[in-house]
Amino acid sequence: SQTIHQWPATLVQPVGSPLSLECTVEGTSNPNLYWYRQAAGRGLQLLFYSVGIGQISSEVPQNLSASRPQDRQFILSSKKLLLSDSGFYLCAWRGEYTEAFFGQGTRLTVV
Amino acid sequence: QQQVKQSPQSLIVQKGGISIINCAYENTAFDYFPWYQQFPGKGPALLIAIRPDVSEKKEGRFTISFNKSAKQFSLHIMDSQPGDSATYFCAARATGGFKTIFGAGTRLFVKA
Repeated sequence: SQTIHQWPATLVQPVGSPLSLECTVEGTSNPNLYWYRQAAGRGLQLLFYSVGIGQISSEVPQNLSASRPQDRQFILSSKKLLLSDSGFYLCAWRGEYTEAFFGQGTRLTVV
Repeated sequence: QQQVKQSPQSLIVQKGGISIINCAYENTAFDYFPWYQQFPGKGPALLIAIRPDVSEKKEGRFTISFNKSAKQFSLHIMDSQPGDSATYFCAARATGGFKTIFGAGTRLFVKA
């Protein structure tokens, strides 16, 4: 069966520090991969999606970037975090005939 | 046209009551409508989904009703339980589309 791993679960980072969140999927090949951000008590904001290795589409211009170095690996990065980058970050995958499955999320607090 | 509008924003229901969450869409290319349930601190999990060729789908206490002509669909939770307290998201996507469009979410609280 397919599983999605996302880490770390929580992260506290100072303003101006770099960020790297990693997501990996097992049990499937060539998935569509997604990064979402969820502010407290709010909806899901799509940040990036990828349909293949090295292919990244950005939905919202911001202080973040994404990369897909391997088929089942998706990385969210920032060179310098801002206070406004705080939130709950969710990775998701979707196959051609499946609906989206989410990871457990990373709670990022920028202080 | 890509939006999915969800209401209400929050909902309080007595234990044993019926919880109803409504969604509406504009894009007629959407042909798959999933609902997600999210508990605090967790990622959303697929709850139930429907395609527009059926008007209703039931799984246990959860039922999706779909009105294609009105471009509306709703989630009914029968015999609501405190354990159902969570945020619910409706969503929509088109076959071949890369993006799933999510509603803004409904925070459900079931009072014991």
